[in-house]
Amino acid sequence: AQSVTQPDIHITVSEGASLELRCNYSYGATPYLFWYVQSPGQGLQLLLKYFSGDTLVQGIKGFEAEFKRSQSSFNLRKPSVHWSDAAEYFCAVGPGRDDKIIFGKGTRLHILP
Amino acid sequence: GAGVSQTPSNKVTEKGKYVELRCDPISGHTALYWYRQSLGQGPEFLIYFQGTGAADDSGLPNDRFFAVRPEGSVSTLKIQRTERGDSAVYLCASSLRQAGAGELFFGEGSRLTVL
Repeated sequence: AQSVTQPDIHITVSEGASLELRCNYSYGATPYLFWYVQSPGQGLQLLLKYFSGDTLVQGIKGFEAEFKRSQSSFNLRKPSVHWSDAAEYFCAVGPGRDDKIIFGKGTRLHILP
Repeated sequence: GAGVSQTPSNKVTEKGKYVELRCDPISGHTALYWYRQSLGQGPEFLIYFQGTGAADDSGLPNDRFFAVRPEGSVSTLKIQRTERGDSAVYLCASSLRQAGAGELFFGEGSRLTVL
């Protein structure tokens, strides 16, 4: 069965510092992978997605993620965070046997001024 | 509107009552999903529609939960005999294609509180 693990519940970084959020997945075939962001009071918004091809994908707001099949990982990165990046980030994997997308439990990002 | 619309945004009810939550997807999106998000958790899959039919309802926790999408657009999630454990934010998402090949667009959710 497909699953997603986000090992870090909370991450705190200083504004301007680099960021990496970890995501590991379990899936029987080449997965479709996603990162979503949820800001307080906002709906989930897609940051980026990987379906095939180049394993380094660029997203919105300066985020990128790298698919590493050998490590079953899809870590999210940003070279320099801004205070507005404080939010909860969810990694997701799909499609499942019946096209459902499964989400991880999320990582809450805190930004220090 | 241009996005996914969910109503009500907040619903407070008493244990044992019946609740309906509505989702109006983006026009033209054939795939519609319901998820439930409890505090501190990620979205938990409930049910997926492709058109009018439920393609996968394996995430519905029990037979108190039911969802319909009679005309392939608006969907209603129905919860009978609500329990305190049903308290959560119920999220709806739609997609132009099957989600594995497309992006999910989420509404802002319906927060359900069962007293």
